[in-house]
Amino acid sequence: DAGVIQSPRHEVTEMGQEVTLRCKPISGHNSLFWYRQTMMRGLELLIYFNNNVPIDDSGMPEDRFSAKMPNASFSTLKIQPSEPRDSAVYFCASTSVFGDSNQPQHFGDGTRLSIL
Amino acid sequence: KQEVTQIPAALSVPEGENLVLNCSFTDSAIYNLQWFRQDPGKGLTSLLLIQSSQREQTSGRLNASLDKSSGRSTLYIAASQPGDSATYLCAVNGNKLVFGAGTILRVKS
Repeated sequence: DAGVIQSPRHEVTEMGQEVTLRCKPISGHNSLFWYRQTMMRGLELLIYFNNNVPIDDSGMPEDRFSAKMPNASFSTLKIQPSEPRDSAVYFCASTSVFGDSNQPQHFGDGTRLSIL
Repeated sequence: KQEVTQIPAALSVPEGENLVLNCSFTDSAIYNLQWFRQDPGKGLTSLLLIQSSQREQTSGRLNASLDKSSGRSTLYIAASQPGDSATYLCAVNGNKLVFGAGTILRVKS
């Protein structure tokens, strides 16, 4: 079975540019999560969706960040304009049932983002 | 605000040793607790999930325990192998996952 698929795997761009990260969750999973991982702050939840609807975006750092989930098989995380402090590894995860359940989250391999 | 602490931050052991990784959390109102493994340059792989009503879960050489009232969990790895070398992350699920900083494990052959 295909796992969570993220693209691109690596992205290097100059500050001020728009960055779009993409995620395809596991088929049949209803909840999707975007995380950011840095050495300083560890792994942090940015936003999560349930049945394509954003439920909690309190972790989105600034208005420069936005996320969409137009259908059950695709989500994007956009940063516009990008800044060097946005450099991090961004992970997407999905699960079939979130909350009080015995279903774990499945993670993609991440997008390593470098803003110069 | 939920805070998750993992001890030790790093651990280096010879092959074959049994070892224990520790995780503590401040808010006991959780649905479950999960242990993940992360290899360099990779995503997280779920190892074990313990629901709040459970005391432990086992998978092969791994055993995880949960004491919700005291806010503690341990991951026990039996007969460690070099292939176990990775970062181990504990995550607590209230209404969202909150992660610890991880324990970097190195098993020497």
